[in-house]
Amino acid sequence: NAGVTQTPKFQVLKTGQSMTLQCAQDMNHEYMSWYRQDPGMGLRLIHYSVGAGITDQGEVPNGYNVSRSTTEDFPLRLLSAAPSQTSVYFCASSSVGGAGGQETQYFGPGTRLLVL
Amino acid sequence: GQSLEQPSEVTAVEGAIVQINCTYQTSGFYGLSWYQQHDGGAPTFLSYNALDGLEETGRFSSFLSRSDSYGYLLLQELQMKDSASYFCAVRRGSNYQLIWGAGTKLIIKP
Repeated sequence: NAGVTQTPKFQVLKTGQSMTLQCAQDMNHEYMSWYRQDPGMGLRLIHYSVGAGITDQGEVPNGYNVSRSTTEDFPLRLLSAAPSQTSVYFCASSSVGGAGGQETQYFGPGTRLLVL
Repeated sequence: GQSLEQPSEVTAVEGAIVQINCTYQTSGFYGLSWYQQHDGGAPTFLSYNALDGLEETGRFSSFLSRSDSYGYLLLQELQMKDSASYFCAVRRGSNYQLIWGAGTKLIIKP
């Protein structure tokens, strides 16, 4: 199993550009999420999904869109990049329910984004 | 509100034991998770406590006291490769969201 994969690994954007960060998992997990991590800080949830066709907002959703058309894929779209969106973005997946199912999240390697 | 507090940095010596504390405020508590993150890497799951007490996994143990809204991660026989940041996390009530502490950077000296 590849686990959780993310592309690209690095990206530089100019203010106002749009792009899509890709995330895929091969563990048949219902739950997928996107986080951003800024230097010296914990993870902040952007959007999450509990299954195909179901998405919801996290703590910091503004400026980002998501969709979940399949169980495997959960892309994150930046609509109009701003310097404040410079960060490291992690995608994660987990099962839902059970003892600690959702609390045991598997992370992708991250995408490092710089917005100029 | 819901929040987690953990020390920003802890320093220990190789071969020693270190404890990283986490206190939380949350509604509808389910359990406390711990993750490790090396510089430049992704978080990796270490442990999960839903019930009071100590859970042991090799050199790492995690403890939870629900009545005190407190938990800790215990690392024994420290190795240089344990130098990393450690995060605690809890589920946000009945919602499908995890909230995270700001992380504790563990510095290990030879």
